[in-house]
Amino acid sequence: QKEVEQDPGPLSVPEGAIVSLNCTYSNSAFQYFMWYRQYSRKGPELLMYTYSSGNKEDGRFTAQVDKSSKYISLFIRDSQPSDSATYLCAMISGSQGNLIFGKGTKLSVKP
Amino acid sequence: DAGVTQSPTHLIKTRGQQVTLRCSPISGHKSVSWYQQVLGQGPQFIFQYYEKEERGRGNFPDRFSARQFPNYSSELNVNALLLGDSALYLCASSFGQTTGELFFGEGSRLTVL
Repeated sequence: QKEVEQDPGPLSVPEGAIVSLNCTYSNSAFQYFMWYRQYSRKGPELLMYTYSSGNKEDGRFTAQVDKSSKYISLFIRDSQPSDSATYLCAMISGSQGNLIFGKGTKLSVKP
Repeated sequence: DAGVTQSPTHLIKTRGQQVTLRCSPISGHKSVSWYQQVLGQGPQFIFQYYEKEERGRGNFPDRFSARQFPNYSSELNVNALLLGDSALYLCASSFGQTTGELFFGEGSRLTVL
C-alpha cells in the first residue's frame, strides 16, 4: 500500500461546478497537509497548507483534513477554466523534512 | 521578490553522461530540497539540505549527489545517466527544515537518449 493514494483522473467539469479532490494516506505520523497546483510543464505552486483536522478556506478553495479517517480533500467552488491543472496532495510528518506526494489529479474545467 | 530559480530549463544528454543542475532559493530560505518528477507521477524526494548539511536522502542510487553552498544555492549531480533518469527535476526552498511549506522552481527538464 502506497503512503499516499490519489485518483489521477482525469476529471472534467463544466465552468462554475464545484470540484472535489481527495487523497487518502496510511501513515499516522503525517501532521502537515498541503495541496499544490501544477500547470503543464511548470513547477508545483502551493495552494493550501493545513496542520490540524478541520477546514481551512481561502477564496474559492477549501481544504479539509480528517485525521481519524486519514483523508484529505480540496474543494474548488465556482470553478474556472484557469483552474485546469494537475492538483497534487502532499503531506509531511513533524520529524522529517521531505514531502510525500500523491500522483496528482488532472482537472479540466470546460467553458 | 525572485522565486526559486533553476538552470538549465531544458537539457538533453546521452546514456552514461553526467549532468549538473543548479538552484537558487528564495532570499532568506536556508533549506533546499530536490525532487524528481516522472511524467504522470507526483514528485519523489531526492535530497534535502539545510544550513549546508544533508538532512535527508530519498531512495535514489549513489549516482545522485548534491551539495549546498554558503549562499544557500545548491547543485544536483547525476552520474552515469540512464534512460530512466529522464524527468523534471524540481528544486524547492523553505525557511525551516520541517515546515513543509516548500516553494518550487519551474524545474529542469532532463531528457536522456
